[in-house]
Amino acid sequence: IAGITQAPTSQILAAGRRMTLRCTQDMRHNAMYWYRQDLGLGLRLIHYSNTAGTTGKGEVPDGYSVSRANTDDFPLTLASAVPSQTSVYFCASSSGADTGELFFGEGSRLTVL
Amino acid sequence: AQSVTQLGSHVSVSEGALVLLRCNYSSSVPPYLFWYVQYPNQGLQLLLKYTTGATLVKGINGFEAEFKKSETSFHLTKPSAHMSDAAEYFCAVTPYGNNRLAFGKGNQVVVIP
Repeated sequence: IAGITQAPTSQILAAGRRMTLRCTQDMRHNAMYWYRQDLGLGLRLIHYSNTAGTTGKGEVPDGYSVSRANTDDFPLTLASAVPSQTSVYFCASSSGADTGELFFGEGSRLTVL
Repeated sequence: AQSVTQLGSHVSVSEGALVLLRCNYSSSVPPYLFWYVQYPNQGLQLLLKYTTGATLVKGINGFEAEFKKSETSFHLTKPSAHMSDAAEYFCAVTPYGNNRLAFGKGNQVVVIP
């Protein structure tokens, strides 16, 4: 089934450790996004990529980095995790056409202790 | 910058009753507006969207929303709630030509038998 695959589904991490959340899409979408979802705050954009080789900062980029080496993959890295990064992380993609429709993965639940 | 406001984090509705979720937006340019639904432990999926044209838009599962520019609103309705409508609903906005959605804080809908 075409779509977005995120890994891991869930992870508990010690503060200070490095963590990479993986995201792969098979829809050949140009644009990809990382959001974090926190109770009472909705979804907030962390980083985005309009096309392979380019990335941009969203609303809450501090403490996170991304890369977009090819169309399909868009990993999110926490260089040194902190407890405030405990959240559910969603990867999404869009075709890049001006439709605004995003397709979401099922999320990665990260707990930083 | 674009933003949306959703009031009332939790909304309880009786089965068979009207579902009404309110969304007001702020945008300096003509907006694209969306409602997404999130079922437990899943990613978000598009319910409906307004881009241009008809201001009353119909989505999946019997939901509809009306774009009212004069009121800067995009409220979501469904005439008769079903148990399967229990989920979290997010309103989102993006300016034309930009797929980086800004989400509201969400409404958790509980359907009472």
